[in-house]
Amino acid sequence: KNQVEQSPQSLIILEGKNCTLQCNYTVSPFSNLRWYKQDTGRGPVSLTIMTFSENTKSNGRYTATLDADTKQSSLHITASQLSDSASYICVVSARNDYKLSFGAGTTVTVRA
Amino acid sequence: GAVVSQHPSRVICKSGTSVKIECRSLDFQATTMFWYRQFPKQSLMLMATSNEGSKATYEQGVEKDKFLINHASLTLSTLTVTSAHPEDSSFYICSAPGLKILAGGVFEQFFGPGTRLTVL
Repeated sequence: KNQVEQSPQSLIILEGKNCTLQCNYTVSPFSNLRWYKQDTGRGPVSLTIMTFSENTKSNGRYTATLDADTKQSSLHITASQLSDSASYICVVSARNDYKLSFGAGTTVTVRA
Repeated sequence: GAVVSQHPSRVICKSGTSVKIECRSLDFQATTMFWYRQFPKQSLMLMATSNEGSKATYEQGVEKDKFLINHASLTLSTLTVTSAHPEDSSFYICSAPGLKILAGGVFEQFFGPGTRLTVL
């Protein structure tokens, strides 16, 4: 069964600090991994998409890494802002499968 | 970028009534749309795949007679929760793949803003 595990479940950081979220997956054969940001009561918004040939991708203050060998990904948030408070979801797709496997998400709270 | 809208954003209904939720791709056509349900502090769970011009494909454990899906056009899919009960209260989200093929043959997936259903 394809699974996506995220850690930590939640974290609290001070504004301006950095943080790193982790994602481990067992989806196979691997196609791509996406990180989404979901604000409370809203739909997910794409941050990054990486295929097996990519090991890092940035979107502003968000930087995602991918190690397809160990099946791990991370999302690094630099110089956090209050607006970064949200749930961050790791989503993995298998090759030749339109379905997405979702992680449970990491809830990030940024405090002033 | 591509935009997916949902209507209504929030609905409160009495137990036993039916509720229709619309999902529209605003500036692109989508032959396939996906419907998800999300309970508090949980991940999105795929309910069904909506196919334009044909029957929807439901995930295991999802009652097709309770969650009616109609994909009447290339820009509109509807989810009707029939005879809603309090346990159907949830956040319903739709998504549609974009038309642009990204590197590696990957399609972007655009999500709607979600519909909060509360059944009293």
